[in-house]
Amino acid sequence: NAGVTQTPKFRVLKTGQSMTLLCAQDMNHEYMYWYRQDPGMGLRLIHYSVGEGTTAKGEVPDGYNVSRLKKQNFLLGLESAAPSQTSVYFCASSVQGIYTEAFFGQGTRLTVV
Amino acid sequence: QQQVKQSPQSLIVQKGGIPIINCAYENTAFDYFPWYQQFPGKGPALLIAIRPDVSEKKEGRFTISFNKSAKQFSLHIMDSQPGDSATYFCAASLVGGSARQLTFGSGTQLTVLP
Repeated sequence: NAGVTQTPKFRVLKTGQSMTLLCAQDMNHEYMYWYRQDPGMGLRLIHYSVGEGTTAKGEVPDGYNVSRLKKQNFLLGLESAAPSQTSVYFCASSVQGIYTEAFFGQGTRLTVV
Repeated sequence: QQQVKQSPQSLIVQKGGIPIINCAYENTAFDYFPWYQQFPGKGPALLIAIRPDVSEKKEGRFTISFNKSAKQFSLHIMDSQPGDSATYFCAASLVGGSARQLTFGSGTQLTVLP
């Protein structure tokens, strides 16, 4: 049982380049999330999805786009990367409900030079 | 705007010590308070969680203390071990928009010396 899988694990981009981060979960979870983790800032929610075909903005959505065409996949796109987007990105998924656990992937370390 | 404030930023204890990590929140709409543990190179994983209708919850060596009136909660690790060395995040959850969302504290890097 793989849980939540993120690809790629590492990436270096030049300023202005674009890329897509892929998140796949095999737990049949309705909810999926993208977070970024920066030193001293904890994890901050970028975008989230409550089901196939739906997306919504989180705390820090600017510069990112997302899509959830299939229930098991949640894509995070950077159209024109900036150095401020250098971070570790985590995808998570959870079932619906009040007291539910979020399951995280292992993260993608992105450096924008 | 940081809705969940966590301290200390780092903590070093000897094996067997009792590290305490504190969190404070502002929004009284939060109704679920989990703690996540993160090892280097890994994603966070749920450690223990508490609801605001109880003041304490224990799971093994880990205890959450919750003070609703003060809007504070803390994690205690009894008989700490070197394997507990990790980054710990407190979080608070509420329904925002169309989904339940987690707001994380800034994290505490715990080192347990052998």
